[in-house]
Amino acid sequence: DTGVSQDPRHKITKRGQNVTFRCDPISEHNRLYWYRQTLGQGPEFLTYFQNEAQLEKSRLLSDRFSAERPKGSFSTLEIQRTEQGDSAMYLCASSLGQAALTQYFGPGTRLLVL
Amino acid sequence: QQQVKQSPQSLIVQKGGISIINCAYENTAFDYFPWYQQFPGKGPALLIAIRPDVSEKKEGRFTISFNKSAKQFSLHIMDSQPGDSATYFCAAGGSYQLTFGKGTKLSVIP
Repeated sequence: DTGVSQDPRHKITKRGQNVTFRCDPISEHNRLYWYRQTLGQGPEFLTYFQNEAQLEKSRLLSDRFSAERPKGSFSTLEIQRTEQGDSAMYLCASSLGQAALTQYFGPGTRLLVL
Repeated sequence: QQQVKQSPQSLIVQKGGISIINCAYENTAFDYFPWYQQFPGKGPALLIAIRPDVSEKKEGRFTISFNKSAKQFSLHIMDSQPGDSATYFCAAGGSYQLTFGKGTKLSVIP
């Protein structure tokens, strides 16, 4: 399977702890996106990378959130000092070149902050 | 401000019927309109997408109708099947990010 993969699929943590999620995009896809989805809502854009450069960040991405894509391949999303309001599904998507908006999503990481 | 409004919130259709989900957008800079299907616990899967230079696009049982002047688009699922039961999201994009509607939960009953 050469789709977008995410790890872990589920994460339970206590408030105040740090968590890190990983996304592996489809091979050769140069654009990578992070979205957040809460229950009963559609995905909301957080940030995106073109190759290793982080080109845009949503105002939803507080300073407790940081994302990296060090070699232009996989990406990590870290949340520091987690809060209960961070509980959500974190989705990663990737796309290629001029078809930037044709985005393919991974299965997501479900985060629960207790 | 909700840039993409989707209706209905939920929909029940009998097997073999037509499911219709509607979306309206506000930002005229949007020029790409995809539909995604999402099953519980899974990520959204791209179903079909359209650009505003065409008024309709069909792929199998799925059809998008697009009305640029009204800033509306809709998804029609013909011959709906129980396996189509899922949540459907419309979205709109202009450069790099997609803006999603709140979703429609479709239930197809035998």
